Amino acid sequence: GDSVTQMEGPVTLSEEAFLTINCTYTATGYPSLFWYVQYPGEGLQLLLKATKADDKGSNKGFEATYRKETTSFHLEKGSVQVSDSAVYFCALSATAGLHFVFGPGTRLSVLP
Amino acid sequence: SQTIHQWPATLVQPVGSPLSLECTVEGTSNPNLYWYRQAAGRGLQLLFYSVGIGQISSEVPQNLSASRPQDRQFILSSKKLLLSDSGFYLCAWDGNTEAFFGQGTRLTVV
Repeated sequence: GDSVTQMEGPVTLSEEAFLTINCTYTATGYPSLFWYVQYPGEGLQLLLKATKADDKGSNKGFEATYRKETTSFHLEKGSVQVSDSAVYFCALSATAGLHFVFGPGTRLSVLP
Repeated sequence: SQTIHQWPATLVQPVGSPLSLECTVEGTSNPNLYWYRQAAGRGLQLLFYSVGIGQISSEVPQNLSASRPQDRQFILSSKKLLLSDSGFYLCAWDGNTEAFFGQGTRLTVV
């Protein structure tokens, strides 16, 4: 079945450091890909998404590119802030499926 | 616009007590609805999903059940809570282009 694999962390960075969180997926067809963010004590919020190969999703300085050839959707940010500390979930929505499939989440801590 | 409400936000319940968590969606009809659980330090585990009134699919065997008595209402229940039921429960709605989540319920079974 469809699945999402991502680095589980925790990832600890200093403020202004470069961030990469790896995400790879397995799916039939051409799924849409997402990154969700969960701040402490809250539900998940959509951070960015891409619906087809080579699309780049971006939001709040974060970017991810849909790479069909490597089945990847890595999340990047050039300069992280303390306020970016959260858990980040990679997810896919299969074209023929009912629901979203989430990765295990990556906890990011940014230190001042 | 579509919104999703989930309550209560926090709950502390003794072992063996019943549970009822409610989720409602506004601004859409016939939504696909989901219950996820997030154990401490763990990822999201899909518990139940529903494509319509009275239609419930269970992803994992457990001490919990779900019901959908109305089109935009999804309820998570248990007759007798276990310590292992503690966690963060999230209701979600599939908006086709993205999933929308409630604010979550932090359940602590003591």
